[in-house]
Amino acid sequence: KAGVTQTPRYLIKTRGQQVTLSCSPISGHRSVSWYQQTPGQGLQFLFEYFSETQRNKGNFPGRFSGRQFSNSRSEMNVSTLELGDSALYLCASSLVLAGGGEQFFGPGTRLTVL
Amino acid sequence: GQQVMQIPQYQHVQEGEDFTTYCNSSTTLSNIQWYKQRPGGHPVFLIQLVKSGEVKKQKRLTFQFGEAKKNSSLHITATQTTDVGTYFCAGDLTGTASKLTFGTGTRLQVTL
Repeated sequence: KAGVTQTPRYLIKTRGQQVTLSCSPISGHRSVSWYQQTPGQGLQFLFEYFSETQRNKGNFPGRFSGRQFSNSRSEMNVSTLELGDSALYLCASSLVLAGGGEQFFGPGTRLTVL
Repeated sequence: GQQVMQIPQYQHVQEGEDFTTYCNSSTTLSNIQWYKQRPGGHPVFLIQLVKSGEVKKQKRLTFQFGEAKKNSSLHITATQTTDVGTYFCAGDLTGTASKLTFGTGTRLQVTL
């Protein structure tokens, strides 16, 4: 079974630009969660989607948004990038909601904002 | 702010020594999960604990969930260099089975 894939793996953007990251979950998984990982703040929850519905959202500004498609693939978008958005963005998929069982993480997208 | 704290932040041990990381939540958790992230890698699920006072073992790793379901610990017996990484606990603070809050993590370094 293929694991969680994320594209692109690396991205360099400049302030003010926007970016879209993609996540393909493990086949059959309906939940996709997104996290931001930085050395200073650790792993911060962004949002979780289950069957195309956003189930929960973390404490991030409205510039961070996401969606999930009918095939469970998910995208997250960050508009008007700021230097502080530089981070590793991880997505994780699971059979049930994230809090209920094992999450499988993808390799992440490393975003650098210049 | 962060509501799931882990101590210590960092520990350096000699191979063969034991290691313990502690996880404390500000609120009662319905369950707790543990993950390990190797340097340069992504978090990998280790275990989930659900019941108050639950203890589970995986080879040299022992996981405990506190009686009040607000704290947990991971103990590694006789560490090996393959145990190097950051260990995170994660819990659902909202009771919705969604929105996992990760702990601050404990970075373990093991040397020969």
